[in-house]
Amino acid sequence: GEQVEQLPSILRVQEGSSASINCTYENSASNYFPWYKQEPGENPKLIIDIRSNMERKQTQGLIVLLDKKAKRFSLHITDTQPGDSAMYFCAASDQGGRALIFGTGTTVSVSP
Amino acid sequence: NSKVIQTPRYLVKGQGQKAKMRCIPEKGHPVVFWYQQNKNNEFKFLINFQNQEVLQQIDMTEKRFSAECPSNSPCSLEIQSSEAGDSALYLCASSLPGSNTEVFFGKGTRLTVV
Repeated sequence: GEQVEQLPSILRVQEGSSASINCTYENSASNYFPWYKQEPGENPKLIIDIRSNMERKQTQGLIVLLDKKAKRFSLHITDTQPGDSAMYFCAASDQGGRALIFGTGTTVSVSP
Repeated sequence: NSKVIQTPRYLVKGQGQKAKMRCIPEKGHPVVFWYQQNKNNEFKFLINFQNQEVLQQIDMTEKRFSAECPSNSPCSLEIQSSEAGDSALYLCASSLPGSNTEVFFGKGTRLTVV
């Protein structure tokens, strides 16, 4: 079936540095790409998303990039803080109401 | 705070027992999704609805799993005969209809099958 590959699975960074997570997708009809942050014992929370009519989006220390030709999108967390430590999931969907296909997750650990 | 309300938060069942969990989507969201998140944190899509109609479901859902979203009542997901492998976090999510719409998750029901 359709897959979204997410790398790396574990990312350890120093506080204040940036963290980058990359995802690739298979379905060329995919047009919506959200990112979720999930802390232990909590639900996934939508932190940023990008639609296929954009190549770049930025909000509150987060940047997402989309390369439709390469079927690749990425999340960049700038100036990481310990509170950014969590699991991050990318996802993709091709049509409203259809299921999001999730990546396998990245555990981000920010050390002081 | 999540506006998708799931109950119960925790559910413990013996093998072969029924397990039922409920979800109230965010107000005004007609699209509801159910996902299973296993101990490795992997997401598995189970089924989704728009209003009361099933949009998509996987084969597993058609056998031991059943789900519905009746009008004016919470949506529900029921496992007819629980197996140890069903132990997981069951996440309900909702969204508006149409393309490119944001999907919001509830806090989940953690099912443990003993």
